[in-house]
Amino acid sequence: AQSVAQPEDQVNVAEGNPLTVKCTYSVSGNPYLFWYVQYPNRGLQFLLKYITGDNLVKGSYGFEAEFNKSQTSFHLKKPSALVSDSALYFCAVRGPNSGNTGKLIFGQGTTLQVKP
Amino acid sequence: DGGITQSPKYLFRKEGQNVTLSCEQNLNHDAMYWYRQDPGQGLRLIYYSQIVNDFQKGDIAEGYSVSREKKESFPLTVTSAQKNPTAFYLCATQPKGTGRVAFFGQGTRLTVV
Repeated sequence: AQSVAQPEDQVNVAEGNPLTVKCTYSVSGNPYLFWYVQYPNRGLQFLLKYITGDNLVKGSYGFEAEFNKSQTSFHLKKPSALVSDSALYFCAVRGPNSGNTGKLIFGQGTTLQVKP
Repeated sequence: DGGITQSPKYLFRKEGQNVTLSCEQNLNHDAMYWYRQDPGQGLRLIYYSQIVNDFQKGDIAEGYSVSREKKESFPLTVTSAQKNPTAFYLCATQPKGTGRVAFFGQGTRLTVV
C-alpha cells in the first residue's frame, strides 16, 4: 500500500537558519511527490513537485526538496528560514498505479515554527 | 485557492441534521476531490469524481454523499450517519496529465453543536 510519513510533528528553527522538514514514502514503482503548505484556516498551497529528472527540485518562496530514491525520501529544505514560513507543511505522493484517479496520499503534516 | 470556491467558510450542524458543503470551480478541471482534515491526521479522501455524473468512494466515505451533475460543481453532503463530522473539509481539483498538481479551495470548517 502507498503511504507517506512525516516523522516530526513540529520543527523549530531560528530565523535565518536553514530548515529541513522530513518526508519518506512507500510506493510501488516511481513516485510523483509533492509538498504543500497550509496557513491557519486556509486551503493547501502547492510548493513544489518531483516527477522525473533532476533530484533537486526548486519551488516557491525559496523552498527546495531533494528526491532520494535509495532512501525513499523527499525532504523539504530552505537555506534561510523566515518567520513568515511558519505554517503546516504536507508531503504527498501519487503512485504510478493510481492510474487516472490522480489520488494523492498525504502525510500527517509537520508544523514549522520559525522564531525571530 | 484561486478558481475554487468553497462555501460556507464556517458551518454549524445540529445533531441528526444533514448539511451540504459547496465546491465550485472555474478552472475547467475534470477531476474533483473532497478531503477531510483532522488535527494530526493529515488529509483523508472522502469522495472523488473524474467526470460528470460519475464519482467513487475514497477511504472514509461512510456518512457522506456527493453528486457531480455539472463539471464546475461537486457538493458534499454530510449526513446524520456521520457520527463525528466536526472537521475541516477541503475540496480540490486536478487537471489531466502526468505530474498534474492538485489545487485546493479555502476549506469549510464544520462544527456539530
